Amino acid sequence: DTAVSQTPKYLVTQMGNDKSIKCEQNLGHDTMYWYKQDSKKFLKIMFSYNNKELIINETVPNRFSPKSPDKAHLNLHINSLELGDSAVYFCASSQVSAGPGNTIYFGEGSWLTVV
Amino acid sequence: QKEVEQDPGPLSVPEGAIVSLNCTYSNSAFQYFMWYRQYSRKGPELLMYTYSSGNKEDGRFTAQVDKSSKYISLFIRDSQPSDSATYLCAMRIIAGAQKLVFGQGTRLTINP
Repeated sequence: DTAVSQTPKYLVTQMGNDKSIKCEQNLGHDTMYWYKQDSKKFLKIMFSYNNKELIINETVPNRFSPKSPDKAHLNLHINSLELGDSAVYFCASSQVSAGPGNTIYFGEGSWLTVV
Repeated sequence: QKEVEQDPGPLSVPEGAIVSLNCTYSNSAFQYFMWYRQYSRKGPELLMYTYSSGNKEDGRFTAQVDKSSKYISLFIRDSQPSDSATYLCAMRIIAGAQKLVFGQGTRLTINP
């Protein structure tokens, strides 16, 4: 009954490959996110979707393409993987609200290593 | 200069000590402030949030915000080994889509 679940948890792949990370939330939230955490623990937002509509798109290479088939799912596809893409990718979700108590719930992360 | 600065540590203290974790920020538009705790190999989980200057207490945890100095703190009283984790401050503006800006995180170890 995990609230935000993402797969795979660990992924080791070669440069140039294409890979996808899947995310699902069962909290009934309207908004989902992808965050990237680098080796120095910096956590930065990449994308946000609200009811399948892209609302935040940070400066991310266009090799990264999010897809939201419905409001409970947000997948991340990465083309032509590079060494610098090695990081932990976190999926998250929240209700749409400007309130401060609107908690963002994070998944457990997907550890991507590009070799 | 990063929008949010946080000393990455590591910080190691004995059990029972009072821990002080801090962040400074440069964007005066930030109005909501949060502290997340992240255990090893896990996702961040929200500890506390506040949106006004002053103190907010929750059990052994106290969050403090000083908007005039652009400085926020998290105090942990009677620290326990189970508090050992990375603590990340996060903040955002009021309007628009939720876009949290995180500090680098401080790695904390409580020694029994």
